[in-house]
Amino acid sequence: QSALTQPASVSGSPGQSITISCTGTSSDIGNYNLVSWYQQRPGKAPKVMIYEVNKRPSGVANRFSGSKFGNTASLTISGLQAEDEADYYCCSYAGSGNYVFGTGTKVTVL
Amino acid sequence: QVQLVQSGAEVKKPGASVRVSCKASGYTFTNYYIHWVRQAPGQGLEWMGWINPKSGGTNYAQKFQGRVTMTRDTSINTMYMELSSLRSDDTAVYYCARTPGNSYFDYWGQGTLVTVSS
Repeated sequence: QSALTQPASVSGSPGQSITISCTGTSSDIGNYNLVSWYQQRPGKAPKVMIYEVNKRPSGVANRFSGSKFGNTASLTISGLQAEDEADYYCCSYAGSGNYVFGTGTKVTVL
Repeated sequence: QVQLVQSGAEVKKPGASVRVSCKASGYTFTNYYIHWVRQAPGQGLEWMGWINPKSGGTNYAQKFQGRVTMTRDTSINTMYMELSSLRSDDTAVYYCARTPGNSYFDYWGQGTLVTVSS
């Protein structure tokens, strides 16, 4: 199972919107609505930001939204804030009880 | 409150085995699968497998089959992940994480650094 493909880095100015893509295959993202997104700050455990493609856990700002089209999922951060600077990982169910993470994207707030 | 508390850092020699524990509290232990995810220094997250705490059933990523064993002790609400035949590229932070259903990882342990060095 190969890792899902994400851009290595994405940047934006405060207040702007950015979108992180996550490309998989018809065996994972394309076949299940079980894509989740995680924010990870240095030295910390990941934190779920989006689950089941576009659902937001309690406590996560509504600036974070998710979507999916075909084999590609996306995370959009609207109204970018300095505190959003972190690494972001997508994850998808891949069938037969297996999961696969994305390669990770470093978000920089300019 | 839900907590997953992992055991402390380990240093192992190549070829040895390591066992990392993950103690759950604040919820019904048997109701949620536990997954293990690792992260090598400066690298991304890598899914290793899961254990069903109720039945003890497991599913391992193909990459780790034959080298990883996940177990649990229901009497003390603790999961274990043992990785054998360690190599230098197994140096990583190992996390346990809980899943509601088969959807996503909602709570994570604090991570355990395993260093493999001669």
